[in-house]
Amino acid sequence: EVQLVESGGGLVQPGGSLRLSCAASGFTFSTYWMHWVRQVPGKGLVWVSRIRSDGSYTSYADSVKGRFTISRDNARNTLYLQMNSLRAEDTALYYCAREPCNPGCDFFDYWGQGALVTVSS
Amino acid sequence: QSALTQPASVSGSPGQTITISCTGSSSDVGRYNLVSWYQQHPGKAPKLMISQVSKRPSGVSNRFSGSKSDNTASLTISGLQAEDEADYYCCSYGGGGTVLFGEGTKLTVL
Repeated sequence: EVQLVESGGGLVQPGGSLRLSCAASGFTFSTYWMHWVRQVPGKGLVWVSRIRSDGSYTSYADSVKGRFTISRDNARNTLYLQMNSLRAEDTALYYCAREPCNPGCDFFDYWGQGALVTVSS
Repeated sequence: QSALTQPASVSGSPGQTITISCTGSSSDVGRYNLVSWYQQHPGKAPKLMISQVSKRPSGVSNRFSGSKSDNTASLTISGLQAEDEADYYCCSYGGGGTVLFGEGTKLTVL
C-alpha cells in the first residue's frame, strides 16, 4: 500500500526556518518524481515545488523561489522541503504528492495527509 | 503563475448532470494535454478523479468525465449523488516545470 507521511510542521516566527519531511513507503520511491503542494485552511491548492526521481532537477513556484529548497534521500525513501525566511503568507497545510509517470505527466495519484506550518510571532 | 479560473460554486440535484469549467491560457491548459481534476472532502487530502484531460483512474466512478476545448477544460459529473458534494480543483502543467491549480469549485448537492 502506497503511503506518504509528512512530518516537521509547527509554529515558527517570521523569518525563521523549518524542514518538512515526507516518508514514503509501498512503492519504489527512487523512480518517481515528487511534489509539494500547500493549502491555506479553507482556501485552494497551490503547487510549491517538484523534484525529479534522481534529484537532478527541481523547480519552484515564484512565491517560494530562493527561500525553499526541495530535496530527497532515495536511500531513506524520504522527501524534504527546507523552508527559510518564512513569512506569514507561508502558513498552510503542506502536502507531499507523487507524480506517477517518468518522464512526467504532471498529475498526482497519491497524497499525504499534510503537515501544518504556522508562521506567526 | 496565475491560478486557473473556476466557478466558485456549482449545485445540482441528485441524478442531475453538472459541469465545472477550468479556464487557463494558451500557455498552459491550451498548450498541454496535462489537465487533471481532484476531489477534496473537508479535512481530507485531495483525490485524483481525472488525469491527462480525460483519463479516469481505476476505482473512480464512470459518472466522472473530463474534456478540453482550447483554453478551457471541463469536469462533468453525471447522475449526481450526495457523496459527490465536495470541493473540486483542476490542475495543469504550466510550462517551465511549473504546475497550476484552479481556484477550486464547491459542489453542493441539493
